[in-house]
Amino acid sequence: QSVLTQPPSASGTPGQRVTISCSGSTSNIGSNYVYWYQQLPGTAPKLVIYSNNQRPSGVPDRFSGSKSGTSASLAISGLRSEDEADYYCAAWDDSLSGPGFGGGTKLTVL
Amino acid sequence: QVQLQESGPGLVKPSETLSLTCAVSGFSISSDYCWGWIRQPPGKGLEWIGNICHSGNTYYNPSLKSRVTMSVDTSKNQFSLKLSSVTAADTAVYYCARVFGDYCDYWGQGTLVTVSS
Repeated sequence: QSVLTQPPSASGTPGQRVTISCSGSTSNIGSNYVYWYQQLPGTAPKLVIYSNNQRPSGVPDRFSGSKSGTSASLAISGLRSEDEADYYCAAWDDSLSGPGFGGGTKLTVL
Repeated sequence: QVQLQESGPGLVKPSETLSLTCAVSGFSISSDYCWGWIRQPPGKGLEWIGNICHSGNTYYNPSLKSRVTMSVDTSKNQFSLKLSSVTAADTAVYYCARVFGDYCDYWGQGTLVTVSS
């Protein structure tokens, strides 16, 4: 099983706002930054949020991240068809001495 | 621009050793960074395999530690992964990545390794 816990699926219609949750523990989310990756089919993961709530250059401001305690969430507002992808949360895990990942959430744009 | 490219056999027999190389361009592998391997079984999530740092220190996922070896070749600006005694459960897309602090910022495109006789 994955180090972090995510819902397997999420969905929304164009223009809507959707959120994806990520739950961890004190050894990962509770004491380290959270990162979010977007993975389109057949491609490598792409960073969309770093350090809990920062967007890399080129990522639309429709993407936002937040963290509270041992949980985090990714929000996508103004949903677009091109947002349909798998999303993974990640955080350094002090027990692993490496990054722990969530199991991924498949976002469907209806 | 930092680019990473995995290479290696796409098919490995059970009980044998999986060997992959990650060629890095646009950045010196000798710089003060770590380099990592992550894998993704078909239809499943991401799993961290391990990191190797410029210091030579290695950090492996405890679940794979007994079978994993990572090394760096600074003369070729590349790093490598060896995973021994593979089984069908090791079938996955293997990604190499640059580790920036506590996360992976640049990733290779990934390479599918199938374990089958």
